[in-house]
Amino acid sequence: EIVLTQSPATLSLSPGERATLSCRASQSVSSYLAWYQQKPGQAPRLLIYDASNRATGIPARFSGSGSGTDFTLTISSLEPEDFAVYYCQQSEGTFGQGTRLEIK
Amino acid sequence: QITLKESGPTLVKPTQTLTLTCTFSGFSLSTSGVGVGWIRQPPGKALEWLALIYWNDDKRYSPSLKSRLTITKDTSKNQVVLTMTNMDPVDTATYYCAHSVPAYSSGQYYFDYWGQGTLVTVSS
Repeated sequence: EIVLTQSPATLSLSPGERATLSCRASQSVSSYLAWYQQKPGQAPRLLIYDASNRATGIPARFSGSGSGTDFTLTISSLEPEDFAVYYCQQSEGTFGQGTRLEIK
Repeated sequence: QITLKESGPTLVKPTQTLTLTCTFSGFSLSTSGVGVGWIRQPPGKALEWLALIYWNDDKRYSPSLKSRLTITKDTSKNQVVLTMTNMDPVDTATYYCAHSVPAYSSGQYYFDYWGQGTLVTVSS
């Protein structure tokens, strides 16, 4: 079973700053990786699929990159509503353990 | 408009079998390419992928839970049912069902619409 490891576990930043979140796979998942955002008490929301494609309605400040085993989610300039937990997921499979993005 | 809603018991006893139903609208599981999956999340912890069923009745299960899970669909009722046997307190979690279709760029499946989730507690 492929294991996804996210880092850091917690990221403390201020609004307006750039956020860089990492997801590493224990073996290659090609580009078949998604990113989700989850806020307290809510279901996850799909942000990015196939490593770099934004889902419908997702703002352009969210971008994804990577292939093989190393992936990155970048939020170019943090808005107050972006502070949440972010998960990566391989297509039809495991999730990472999440990165909590908190306000500094 | 795609919606999904999970239903089932809120409390089960250890060793019992859990049966959860996902009732959806806005799409059909008889449409080529469509899938519905189950994901769970223990309180304060990460998401865990459980199972996925496709329009053609193909099924995928988490390798670590495969022996305990069964996923089925009732296309006429717009429902997907997940059963999990031999429940344990560590299975206490919010259980989500979610809609999935293949990405146009790759044909890979991701979860684009989610239900609100249902909390299941395992306790004697």
